[in-house]
Amino acid sequence: AQTVTQSQPEMSVQEAETVTLSCTYDTSESNYYLFWYKQPPSRQMILVIRQEAYKQQNATENRFSVNFQKAAKSFSLKISDSQLGDTAMYFCAFGYTPLVFGKGTRLSVIA
Amino acid sequence: DTGVSQDPRHKITKRGQNVTFRCDPISEHNRLYWYRQTLGQGPEFLTYFQNEAQLEKSRLLSDRFSAERPKGSFSTLEIQRTEQGDSAMYLCASSFGAGGADTQYFGPGTRLTVL
Repeated sequence: AQTVTQSQPEMSVQEAETVTLSCTYDTSESNYYLFWYKQPPSRQMILVIRQEAYKQQNATENRFSVNFQKAAKSFSLKISDSQLGDTAMYFCAFGYTPLVFGKGTRLSVIA
Repeated sequence: DTGVSQDPRHKITKRGQNVTFRCDPISEHNRLYWYRQTLGQGPEFLTYFQNEAQLEKSRLLSDRFSAERPKGSFSTLEIQRTEQGDSAMYLCASSFGAGGADTQYFGPGTRLTVL
């Protein structure tokens, strides 16, 4: 069974700084997808970024980028120029259909 | 595109009562998923549909839980004889896919409290 581990329950970062959230996963499959979702307080979950395992190039979306290390089964999320609106729970997810989620990292951006 | 909607947003019930939740997916999406999220945890998969067919069910989905998607559009999730352990946020998501990992779009959730 696939598992996803997020080892940082809580993190904080100063506004405009850079922060990296960690995620590791376990699978025996060779082709799969990885996702980062954001869940702001009392709001619905939205997709931040996705990565196909067969692509070596790391995905980027504006201020968000990933460091995908397939051999290490690591998939970290880097947020550059952090903004107050980035305050949220961040979930790493693995899979096809359905998704397997980690327990999340609560990120607080401090002014 | 109005996104995924769920109704009700909050439900408080007494132990032993039945409850039903509704999910309306994004209109062109053929796949619909139900997840459960408890405090401090990530969402856990319950079941999913492709069109009207229920393709997979989690072991979390006990025989007190039933889900339907009768016309391949909206879906309902019913919990019979609710227990306090059923208290959670129930999330619905939808996607358009024919294989691989399509992006799932989530609704706001229904928060269930069982007294």
